[in-house]
Amino acid sequence: RKEVEQDPGPFNVPEGATVAFNCTYSNSASQSFFWYRQDCRKEPKLLMSVYSSGNEDGRFTAQLNRASQYISLLIRDSKLSDSATYLCVVNMEYGNKLVFGAGTILRVKS
Amino acid sequence: EPEVTQTPSHQVTQMGQEVILRCVPISNHLYFYWYRQILGQKVEFLVSFYNNEISEKSEIFDDQFSVERPDGSNFTLKIRSTKLEDSAMYFCASSEFEDSITTYEQYFGPGTRLTVT
Repeated sequence: RKEVEQDPGPFNVPEGATVAFNCTYSNSASQSFFWYRQDCRKEPKLLMSVYSSGNEDGRFTAQLNRASQYISLLIRDSKLSDSATYLCVVNMEYGNKLVFGAGTILRVKS
Repeated sequence: EPEVTQTPSHQVTQMGQEVILRCVPISNHLYFYWYRQILGQKVEFLVSFYNNEISEKSEIFDDQFSVERPDGSNFTLKIRSTKLEDSAMYFCASSEFEDSITTYEQYFGPGTRLTVT
């Protein structure tokens, strides 16, 4: 089983749509969870950390379900500029290593 | 806004040559990392560095790789004898560790594209 698993997509959505991405992780001892976005041939940029209580930042909402080892990201009112690859990232145990999923491609079209 | 910087942005080298990739982490950060991403593949952890020593490394980080913090600002990754399969984007990252609130948020530099011919 992969350490971090994501649907690769692509998700093709119109502007204004709501889109949700899911991610599962294999190590139940994982401590920290993040969503990064990555534009083509650029560095991963931290979008948001994911907390057990769930958290929201503008149009973005992240949820964590530790029992199911499942993380989600919801994007409301999609913009053209949201087109990117969204990376689910997990910090395993108390180590410093980040483990990346392969990413989900989002394409927002006008 | 403080950011991680990396030089060069692109390095072309011949197989067997040594390369040094340079990074300047965010100034108040204490943990430093190198990751790599082969074209079309996911980002992979190489090594983490804290308090002037390696704290964790992956199986990719073999004897051909080394890291150093030669002064108070730079953090380098050296590949002693490059192979074709070392061609990838190499990202430096840094994170801040707070005593009372542990944070593992890592911030990435723009990367160095290494091409081994």
